[in-house]
Amino acid sequence: GQSLEQPSEVTAVEGAIVQINCTYQTSGFYGLSWYQQHDGGAPTFLSYNALDGLEETGRFSSFLSRSDSYGYLLLQELQMKDSASYFCAVRDRSDSWGKLQFGAGTQVVVTP
Amino acid sequence: DVKVTQSSRYLVKRTGEKVFLECVQDMDHENMFWYRQDPGLGLRLIYFSYDVKMKEKGDIPEGYSVSREKKERFSLILESASTNQTSMYLCASSPLAGGPGDTQYFGPGTRLTVL
Repeated sequence: GQSLEQPSEVTAVEGAIVQINCTYQTSGFYGLSWYQQHDGGAPTFLSYNALDGLEETGRFSSFLSRSDSYGYLLLQELQMKDSASYFCAVRDRSDSWGKLQFGAGTQVVVTP
Repeated sequence: DVKVTQSSRYLVKRTGEKVFLECVQDMDHENMFWYRQDPGLGLRLIYFSYDVKMKEKGDIPEGYSVSREKKERFSLILESASTNQTSMYLCASSPLAGGPGDTQYFGPGTRLTVL
């Protein structure tokens, strides 16, 4: 089976940097995705890592280490609008249908 | 832009009622998914469908069924609603070819309360 672990909550001030870690266990890893969900909103895709290393998209970056079964999402220059829940998700290589297994989510609280 | 819509944002039903949650996507995606979201548990997959009339059980299918008669529409059915099915229900779709990380596109959710 699969399991993912991420912290339940992180609090930081505007302008700071936040790192959300995600460790996973899966029988055959395919890739790690990150989704953002604002309160009352739909989850939206942020980033994807299939290979080791850092992927940067504006203020957000995502990192993957396949050998450590570990990844993180880095939020830089935090803004109030970044207050949201962030989910990591994995696809198992044995799955043919594009199913994702989601972590429980990390609530990021940005304070002034 | 991909659009996934769900029939209701809020729904209140009584125990034992049959409940239908509808989801429609407008991007011709092959895959469609139903999740429930509960605090501290993240998104848990109930059922998914990879083609019309095809369905597969997810991690928590008990108490639910689904229907996919048309490619764009995926319905979740609670045969006899119970209070432990009070939750946020999210529908998602994705193309068969995948895209980065098999990106899923989510609807706004239906918050169901069973009294």
